[in-house]
Formats: sequence, C-alpha cells, structure tokens
Amino acid sequence: SQQGEEDPQALSIQEGENATMNCSYKTSINNLQWYRQNSGRGLVHLILIRSNEREKHSGRLRVTLDTSKKSSSLLITASRAADTASYFCATSPAGANSKLTFGKGITLSVRP
Amino acid sequence: KAGVTQTPRYLIKTRGQQVTLSCSPISGHRSVSWYQQTPGQGLQFLFEYFSETQRNKGNFPGRFSGRQFSNSRSEMNVSTLELGDSALYLCASSLAVGSGETQYFGPGTRLLVL
Repeated sequence: SQQGEEDPQALSIQEGENATMNCSYKTSINNLQWYRQNSGRGLVHLILIRSNEREKHSGRLRVTLDTSKKSSSLLITASRAADTASYFCATSPAGANSKLTFGKGITLSVRP
Repeated sequence: KAGVTQTPRYLIKTRGQQVTLSCSPISGHRSVSWYQQTPGQGLQFLFEYFSETQRNKGNFPGRFSGRQFSNSRSEMNVSTLELGDSALYLCASSLAVGSGETQYFGPGTRLLVL
C-alpha cells in the first residue's frame, strides 16, 4: 500500500523557475526521504530529513517536514532541464526496519 | 566507491519459467532490500536482508524469495512467472538495517514476462 501521496502528480515549468512538490503520509515516521528517477532507471537519493528536523538544504534542494500535518515539501530552485525526472517521497517507520514506503511520484518536466 | 550493481539489466522470460536476479551492494554495506516497480502499483517493498537473514518481508506471494550471501551480495528468485511479474526490480543497499539509514539504489533489472 502507498504511504505517501505526492502532489501534484505532474508539474511542467520553465528552466530557471522553482519547482515545489508536496508529499503527505499517513502514519508516524522516523524519517522521510526524497528520491529522483530518470525515465525508468534506478532511484537517486536526494535528501533525508528526520522526524525531529523541520528543514534541510542540499545545494538547490530545500526540504521541509511538518510532522503535525504529516506532510513534506521538496523545493528545487533555479530548475534546469536536467532536473526533468520523476520524484518520489519515501517514509520509514520507527525501529529496526529499513522498509521504505513510496508515494506514486511526481513527474517534473523542465522546459529549456 | 562503486555503486549498487544489478545483473542482468534486462530479461525476457515466458510464463511458468523462473528467474534469478542478482544484486551487489556498495562495498561495506550489509543491508540489502528489494523493490518491485510497476506502472499500476508503483514501488513496493519485497524483502530486506541483513547478515544473511531476512529481516522484513513485503506482501508478495511465496513465489518471490531471496537470499543473502556472506559477502552481502543478494539474489532474488521468482518462480512460476506470471505476466503480472513484468516490472522493474530494484535493489537498495545501506550500511546497516534500521529506519535511519539512507538506502542507495541500483539501476534495476527490467523483467518482461511473455
């Protein structure tokens, strides 16, 4: 079953614009991770945010986490055509369990 | 450091056959997880191995099985293939088991069942 639900399902923006993607989840988590997937290839890990963190940055990426609303957002600033991909949020439950539960993903298209 | 490798990258089988997929984790990583990705169901967890022991299993039939070797390499096997098993199978490795660990994914094995 899907834990996370990303919003929107698809996003099309112009190069240079910012892209904001949202993820909501249902149960308590230990951390939340964002991954990128290019055209049916493997997943690339972008960023991990723990349940006791509210915001995290990595290069052009900014992730926020609101555990009271069970939601997270991924902001990509100054987007590039190479950012075109599918983006997934994945949650981990607390405990000795590495299982990730993924959302259905967001398809981002960045027009040059 | 080399990433997660999976072999083969592409595979075509017919219904009723069985298949074995292989995953080599990042050097030093001891936990390996497997996921199935399909357009309809998305990414779904299959199982997780650590120190040659299955630690967690997803909601898949018994036709799906796996194992881990002493060098942390892992294989998954699907017997009596069905058309619905056509999918991208992804392997992920992490240093240890636990929800705080970042998982690094391989390129996947794309299986087509005819």
